[in-house]
Amino acid sequence: AQSVTQLGSHVSVSEGALVLLRCNYSSSVPPYLFWYVQYPNQGLQLLLKYTTGATLVKGINGFEAEFKKSETSFHLTKPSAHMSDAAEYFCAVSPQGGGYQKVTFGTGTKLQVIP
Amino acid sequence: KAGVTQTPRYLIKTRGQQVTLSCSPISGHRSVSWYQQTPGQGLQFLFEYFSETQRNKGNFPGRFSGRQFSNSRSEMNVSTLELGDSALYLCASSLAEGQFTYGYTFGSGTRLTVV
Repeated sequence: AQSVTQLGSHVSVSEGALVLLRCNYSSSVPPYLFWYVQYPNQGLQLLLKYTTGATLVKGINGFEAEFKKSETSFHLTKPSAHMSDAAEYFCAVSPQGGGYQKVTFGTGTKLQVIP
Repeated sequence: KAGVTQTPRYLIKTRGQQVTLSCSPISGHRSVSWYQQTPGQGLQFLFEYFSETQRNKGNFPGRFSGRQFSNSRSEMNVSTLELGDSALYLCASSLAEGQFTYGYTFGSGTRLTVV
């Protein structure tokens, strides 16, 4: 079984400030971890993913996330928020390995960027 | 390369009617998954198709059904619509055979409103 918890359904930051969106997961097997972004009336776009290897993962638009196994976390960060970062962000987990695996998404965090 | 195409973008239906939504995956992608997104429930998995076969199914009533054609295009059908079926329906395609290794590519969704 697997699950994803995103702490904070709404996060507000000032333009230029650090963005930190939290994601904790639960998985009985080593997971693949993902962050997606959704702009209004759009589908989800993949920001970054962790499968294996380096635990610090860099994605698009200046975002990065670090896989911390001991903390079962995969928090998303960006050093300096931009107005265009305002969107909803989803963390997702999938089991590694073959076969037909279902992906589990978190409930999302809406990021507001204040000018 | 064209993205995932969902049609129509918007639909308004009356309770009791049925509806069919269409999804064309990225060329070469053979796995198609469907999600229902609502403000209260977030993203909920409906089903996944690969090679015209349903591989995974979420916890939705039998009114929700789908199929996949030999060209990987997929349709989902909802019969006897209820007000609670109002949602954004997202289709996602994946390169890998039923695995999530490469992440999903999402379409922009179909916004269904049931009145």
